[in-house]
Amino acid sequence: ILNVEQSPQSLHVQEGDSTNFTCSFPSSNFYALHWYRWETAKSPEALFVMTLNGDEKKKGRISATLNTKEGYSYLYIKGSQPEDSATYLCASLISNFGNEKLTFGTGTRLTIIP
Amino acid sequence: KAGVTQTPRYLIKTRGQQVTLSCSPISGHRSVSWYQQTPGQGLQFLFEYFSETQRNKGNFPGRFSGRQFSNSRSEMNVSTLELGDSALYLCASSFSQYNEQFFGPGTRLTVL
Repeated sequence: ILNVEQSPQSLHVQEGDSTNFTCSFPSSNFYALHWYRWETAKSPEALFVMTLNGDEKKKGRISATLNTKEGYSYLYIKGSQPEDSATYLCASLISNFGNEKLTFGTGTRLTIIP
Repeated sequence: KAGVTQTPRYLIKTRGQQVTLSCSPISGHRSVSWYQQTPGQGLQFLFEYFSETQRNKGNFPGRFSGRQFSNSRSEMNVSTLELGDSALYLCASSFSQYNEQFFGPGTRLTVL
């Protein structure tokens, strides 16, 4: 994998259901993996920054895991609520000959159906 | 504490003109990064400034440039505007790219 890829592109989930989505990133020259939540008409807001293989982070009903050896991260939302509707972005900090770039995926657009 | 601010919020320019966007980071943050977002594309990294020096850069032509002042405020300049430069430009401040980025509200640039 050369770029950061997220799947699915969009998702509709019934309120109260749990859901998860994937971020794939290059496993070589890996430094950090960021997750952001971007609501319409607002700025992206940081959820997690993870650096270690096997890392798991949790914030309320949202959690994330990281596998740096195989180059993927999962974001989980438990008991979805309407306010969870947003685009979820992941970004990998990749170093290339000393030039470090935070490379974003195109996001997973989550819509919670009341 | 005050968040990241960007000015102006909206801008309309014509092809060939140049534009300067401004970003004021959160107090204490020395890293300011700039991103471009166009429909269908993710956030594309333009460059990062740290302590008045461009530390990292993305794959954009030389028409895109920036600078950072001693108070960490940053400006981004785009010269010889093209229609394809129409986008939302976001800046983000942080302690470093290893830390969470705090995004401003963005400047929406329209090139006619």
